[in-house]
Parts: sequence; structure tokens; C-alpha cells
Amino acid sequence: EAQVTQNPRYLITVTGKKLTVTCSQNMNHEYMSWYRQDPGLGLRQIYYSMNVEVTDKGDVPEGYKVSRKEKRNFPLILESPSPNQTSLYFCASSMMVAQPQHFGDGTRLSIL
Amino acid sequence: KNEVEQSPQNLTAQEGEFITINCSYSVGISALHWLQQHPGGGIVSLFMLSSGKKKHGRLIATINIQEKHSSLHITASHPRDSAVYICAAPYSGGGADGLTFGKGTHLIIQP
Repeated sequence: EAQVTQNPRYLITVTGKKLTVTCSQNMNHEYMSWYRQDPGLGLRQIYYSMNVEVTDKGDVPEGYKVSRKEKRNFPLILESPSPNQTSLYFCASSMMVAQPQHFGDGTRLSIL
Repeated sequence: KNEVEQSPQNLTAQEGEFITINCSYSVGISALHWLQQHPGGGIVSLFMLSSGKKKHGRLIATINIQEKHSSLHITASHPRDSAVYICAAPYSGGGADGLTFGKGTHLIIQP
């Protein structure tokens, strides 16, 4: 089954404790992206990747890192999480940005 | 950067009504996306279109490239259509960059 898998689905953690949210897709897609969704602000793009070893900043990259060492994986890293990074996060992939995107189920992060 | 505006923000309608959600953007684009977010939070891609019209079941999406405007229509609306509908366009209009999103339209269809 074609899917985008995010882990964990839920996480409560504390300020400053490094965390990684994993994202994996099994569709051989070249384009992958991370979004955060906040009430009143909607979806905003954090980082995206056009292909392996190619990543670019989106609208709100501050406080986040990503890597794309293999085509299928695109982890989101919060080196020193802060409460303003409490949000609902989505990973998505597509063959290219101008193609329909497949979304993961979301990760709800709470930073205390 | 492309600015994407959606209207209305909230819409409540009765079952069977014809629904229209509008999306306008500021920079010419290669393709526009329509997404649906279910009450449980999951997001699915409904349409990606670069010109004209696309239809899938009771959903129809249209785009006017010259006017930088797209609409999503739902015919014979049903309570299961209740969701948030989101449009998205490339940042700078081209096909090789990220996406910027409208804030979404929260649709409720009452039986």
C-alpha cells in the first residue's frame, strides 16, 4: 500500500530535549516536505526536498533541521525544542511539487 | 511570495445544497492544489490543476489562470463532506519550489 509514515504520532516532551520525527514514503517520490499546522495560521511549510541531498527552507524553518540522505526518508529534527514549536506536524511526498501530495497521518507535538 | 486567500472561512449549509469555495493567489502559477482535511485531522489531496476544470464524483475544481482564481464546488452536498478545504499554490509560481497555503474553509453540512 502506498503510504507516508510518520512517527511518533503523539509526543509530549520538555524544552531543550532534542527530538526527531521520522517520515518515510514507499512510492519512490522525489519531493518530500514538512508542514506545521496551527490554529488561525493554517498549514505552513517548514522545509522541503526536491531530491536526495537537496533541501530548501520553507516559510518557517527556524528551529528545525532536516536531512535527505535517502530518497524514502526525510526526518525532521528539533535540536532544542521550545514551547512555540508545539504544533501538529505533517510530512508529505509527491513525484514533484506540481503533483498531488500524499500526506502522513500527522504528529502532534507538545513542548512543555 | 505568493499570497493565497480563501473565502469563506466558515460555511454552514444544508444537505443537498450546492457549495462553492473560492481561492485567489497573487503570483501566476504552474499548478494549484485543493486539499481536504477530515475532522480526525488526516489530509488528502483532492485536485491538482493547472488549467480548466477537473471533476471527481460530486467535486468540481476550476481555475482561471488569467484572473488568478480557483473555485471548488460540491454538488448535492452531504454531511460526510464536512471538513476543512485548503488550497495551496507554489511560492513563486513555478514548479520547483515550496507551497504556500490558504487558511482553509471550514465546511459543515447539516442533515
